[in-house]
Amino acid sequence: QLQLQESGPGLVKPSETLSLTCTVSGGSISSSNYYWGWIRQPPGKGLEWIGSIYYSGSTYYNPSLKSRVTISVDTSKNQFSLKLRSVTAADTAVYYCARPLYAGGVAGTWCFDLWGRGTLVTVSS
Amino acid sequence: QSALTQPASVSGSPGQSITISCTGTSSDVGGYNYVSWYQQHPGKAPKLMIYDVSNRPSGVSNRFSGSKSGNTASLTISGLQAEDEGDYYCSSYTSSSSPYVFGTGTKVTVL
Repeated sequence: QLQLQESGPGLVKPSETLSLTCTVSGGSISSSNYYWGWIRQPPGKGLEWIGSIYYSGSTYYNPSLKSRVTISVDTSKNQFSLKLRSVTAADTAVYYCARPLYAGGVAGTWCFDLWGRGTLVTVSS
Repeated sequence: QSALTQPASVSGSPGQSITISCTGTSSDVGGYNYVSWYQQHPGKAPKLMIYDVSNRPSGVSNRFSGSKSGNTASLTISGLQAEDEGDYYCSSYTSSSSPYVFGTGTKVTVL
């Protein structure tokens, strides 16, 4: 059974780079043409889509974060990663990695049915 | 791209039906049949309840149903149960600058 697990520092200093990795277990990240996504949720607030990466490497980002975000995939490690630069306190959130119910399709037509447990990242000095 | 608009809260008594709305534009909800609904309990990851406007993933109770009219999608929970309490989010494909957007979220309370 496929599972996702986020990992990375729980505390990041302002102006530095937040780096998280999502490890896919129970299956290969490159075996099917899925999009893999990052979503975040500030404490007490709603969900915000950060961006997604296609298994081939094509990326799609939320315009509000695009200038600071990079998502990449490492098929050899069965992982995909998130980097968010120049963070501020507003980037404090639980960060989730997720995969849609079905593979392929047009970017954005996603329904995320497989989620990691989420990891809280706090931005503070 | 602005978030889709949902009511902040909806409540109902056990056994009743409630409906949560999700209002967008013709560039997202109204223009495409790619609306999803998620349920989230405190401290947990969201759970997909409805996809492509009205389809239920395997294992989701048939008490949950989705529909759409114009630029507004709706999630109806019938036979409300205590376990249905939580936050609910809609999402949609959008043809604007961002391909994907979530709703603002609705807190469901079972009285």
